[in-house]
Amino acid sequence: DAGVTQSPTHLIKTRGQQVTLRCSPKSGHDTVSWYQQALGQEPQFIFQYYEEEERQRGNFPDRFSGHQFPNYSSELNVNALLLGDSALYLCASSFGDREGEKLFFGSGTQLSVL
Amino acid sequence: AQSVTQLGSHVSVSEGALVLLRCNYSSSVPPYLFWYVQYPNQGLQLLLKYTTGATLVKGINGFEAEFKKSETSFHLTKPSAHMSDAAEYFCAVSGEAGGSYIPTFGRGTSLIVHP
Repeated sequence: DAGVTQSPTHLIKTRGQQVTLRCSPKSGHDTVSWYQQALGQEPQFIFQYYEEEERQRGNFPDRFSGHQFPNYSSELNVNALLLGDSALYLCASSFGDREGEKLFFGSGTQLSVL
Repeated sequence: AQSVTQLGSHVSVSEGALVLLRCNYSSSVPPYLFWYVQYPNQGLQLLLKYTTGATLVKGINGFEAEFKKSETSFHLTKPSAHMSDAAEYFCAVSGEAGGSYIPTFGRGTSLIVHP
């Protein structure tokens, strides 16, 4: 049973560029959440996708956008990259948006913005 | 609003000693509480979760946590530390907010295990 997979594992971009990160949820899961984790910090919630729609959003600017496909996989897009966007981006999947549902995390994409 | 406070950014123990990682939460609704572990260069892995019912929750790798409503705490313990337990530990709380249950994470506690 494949867990949550993310690609790429590492990425280096320059300021102003755009980036797309990809996530495939755990088999049987239909909800994908994205988190940003700066070095030495806790994960910060970016947004959650359920039934191909953005269901909840954290305190992130519109430069951060996403998409969920019919097969439940998801993409995170970041435009006009800033140095402060350098972080580990984590994808987490779950089944539905139910109370107390536990998250399964991928290993993340390490984004470095130069 | 919900929040989590983890007391101590670093906890250092000797191998074989008791592990105690502290977590206090704030929630306006009955909370769901979680402990996650993160090893270097990896994502987070669920150790255990509390929903309702028994206040002592047993998780993986010998960890357990006790929910104390009167103290708004959910401390994580393990009787005997192993070198492989060295990692970052995050406490998280979730509760209904706007129809969704997005967990809020604490700032993490780094567990250091000495031989």
